[in-house]
Amino acid sequence: QQQVKQSPQSLIVQKGGISIINCAYENTAFDYFPWYQQFPGKGPALLIAIRPDVSEKKEGRFTISFNKSAKQFSLHIMDSQPGDSATYFCAASMRYNQGGKLIFGQGTELSVKP
Amino acid sequence: GAVVSQHPSRVICKSGTSVKIECRSLDFQATTMFWYRQFPKQSLMLMATSNEGSKATYEQGVEKDKFLINHASLTLSTLTVTSAHPEDSSFYICSVLSSGGAPDTQYFGPGTRLTVL
Repeated sequence: QQQVKQSPQSLIVQKGGISIINCAYENTAFDYFPWYQQFPGKGPALLIAIRPDVSEKKEGRFTISFNKSAKQFSLHIMDSQPGDSATYFCAASMRYNQGGKLIFGQGTELSVKP
Repeated sequence: GAVVSQHPSRVICKSGTSVKIECRSLDFQATTMFWYRQFPKQSLMLMATSNEGSKATYEQGVEKDKFLINHASLTLSTLTVTSAHPEDSSFYICSVLSSGGAPDTQYFGPGTRLTVL
């Protein structure tokens, strides 16, 4: 119930292509869904986040699509660049329960080829 | 976003010694901080929730006597790994929970690489 399942585990995309990473959850009490980007040896950096009252959020080349009925959300990276090569984590939390703890997905290692 | 620092960034110690890692929130007061551990090629695993002025809440399976957490001020939380062993070697990352306009947002520190010989 507390798990967030992320796929694929790794992804190779050509420069200029679209990178798509998917996550699924079971607990309908989750109400906050962030995506983090992590480079090797660094801490995760918040990329973009969404709440279940909207179906899509876009910030620059990054878009979150949210499907509440399917309990799925995805990250789309448009015009992928070699600098986007990193590990991406989806996560979920509940505002009024568990003190804002984040439940992380397993991570996706993205490699963008020039 | 918030600026979070960790010190040290890297530490190497001998088996049986204790190591203290500091996590500081540099630009806002953080009532709640979190400590995570990350093994190579794996996701972040929450170890404990640190609340200012109260005892930390540990996740199941995390030894509270081995991983001592102190959150003595609104800008500083410390994690002490006591009697460290090689299996404690990992990447330790803290985060702070935003209390402002984005109340659910967690901002992460740069991490501390612990190597126990």
